[in-house]
Amino acid sequence: SQTIHQWPATLVQPVGSPLSLECTVEGTSNPNLYWYRQAAGRGLQLLFYSVGIGQISSEVPQNLSASRPQDRQFILSSKKLLLSDSGFYLCAWSGPGGSDSPLHFGNGTRLTVT
Amino acid sequence: SQQGEEDPQALSIQEGENATMNCSYKTSINNLQWYRQNSGRGLVHLILIRSNEREKHSGRLRVTLDTSKKSSSLLITASRAADTASYFCARGAGGFKTIFGAGTRLFVKA
Repeated sequence: SQTIHQWPATLVQPVGSPLSLECTVEGTSNPNLYWYRQAAGRGLQLLFYSVGIGQISSEVPQNLSASRPQDRQFILSSKKLLLSDSGFYLCAWSGPGGSDSPLHFGNGTRLTVT
Repeated sequence: SQQGEEDPQALSIQEGENATMNCSYKTSINNLQWYRQNSGRGLVHLILIRSNEREKHSGRLRVTLDTSKKSSSLLITASRAADTASYFCARGAGGFKTIFGAGTRLFVKA
């Protein structure tokens, strides 16, 4: 069966520090991969998605970036964190149908920028 | 906003009662999805209903879709304390962007 791993679970970083969040998927090939951010008590905002290795689409311009160095690995990065980057970051994968396929989420990373 | 509107924002019921959550949207859809999120965890997919479907069931869950009214509802029958969570509707409109609403927080009292 397919599983998705996301780490770390929690992270406290000072303003201006770099960020690297990692997500890996097991049990499926060529998944579509997504990074979402959830503000407290709110819905999810799509940040990036990827349909293949090295292919990244950005939905929201900001100081975050994403990379997909391997088929089942998705990384969210920042060179310099802002206070506004605090939030709950969720990685997800779907089958080839894009938004016509259900999303399968990791357990998220709670990021606090101080 | 492209997000759907969920109603109510919060719902508190007794165990054994039914819980109904509603979702409205503004633009056309290919499908409407419902997800559940326990506190501090990732979202879990519950049901996907396509635009040409009107009703779908999964265990104690029943989802309806009315494309003429641009609305959907999620019914949880015979609720349990373990159903306490936030429930989100999300619409798939083609492409790769699934758009989520702000969610309904359900609290089931034992």
